[in-house]
Amino acid sequence: GNSVTQMEGPVTLSEEAFLTINCTYTATGYPSLFWYVQYPGEGLQLLLKATKADDKGSNKGFEATYRKETTSFHLEKGSVQVSDSAVYFCALSRNQAGTALIFGKGTTLSVSS
Amino acid sequence: DTEVTQTPKHLVMGMTNKKSLKCEQHMGHRAMYWYKQKAKKPPELMFVYSYEKLSINESVPSRFSPECPNSSLLNLHLHALQPEDSALYLCASSHIRLGPEAFFGQGTRLTVV
Repeated sequence: GNSVTQMEGPVTLSEEAFLTINCTYTATGYPSLFWYVQYPGEGLQLLLKATKADDKGSNKGFEATYRKETTSFHLEKGSVQVSDSAVYFCALSRNQAGTALIFGKGTTLSVSS
Repeated sequence: DTEVTQTPKHLVMGMTNKKSLKCEQHMGHRAMYWYKQKAKKPPELMFVYSYEKLSINESVPSRFSPECPNSSLLNLHLHALQPEDSALYLCASSHIRLGPEAFFGQGTRLTVV
């Protein structure tokens, strides 16, 4: 079946540190891949996406590259800020009409100044 | 406009009450979703509507009753809930043809007493 595995947190970093959150997936066919972010007390926000192999999604300094050979979609940011503290979810979609997202368990990021 | 609006933001209800959660979007999305999220967990899919018809019910107890009165609105009717149903309820929508990404509302924080 389809599934997403992401690194367990929490991840604790100092401001301006480099961030990597690992995400790997199992899927039939060619899914689309996403990173969502959830700030405390809020809903999920789409951070970035990639719809085919070798696509790079980017937004707000975050990047992730769709690697079909390693079935991975790792999230990176070169210099984190305190305001990046949140829960990050990796997710995939099977690209069929009206099919729901399949989420990883989430990784909590805490950035201190 | 990528906004999904949920009301109310917070709801406290007794186990004998009947209440409804509301969700609205004006992006022309024809797929709409209800998710339930417990603390420190990823969202769990409850229901999917495609073109205003229920297409997926993830074996949700009948005390949760979804309704999609038109292409912009999605309701979740609640009756005889249990304390373990306390959670964040998230509504999401996606465009069936243009892209698989889902846009989430801010959620309704439900407490059952």
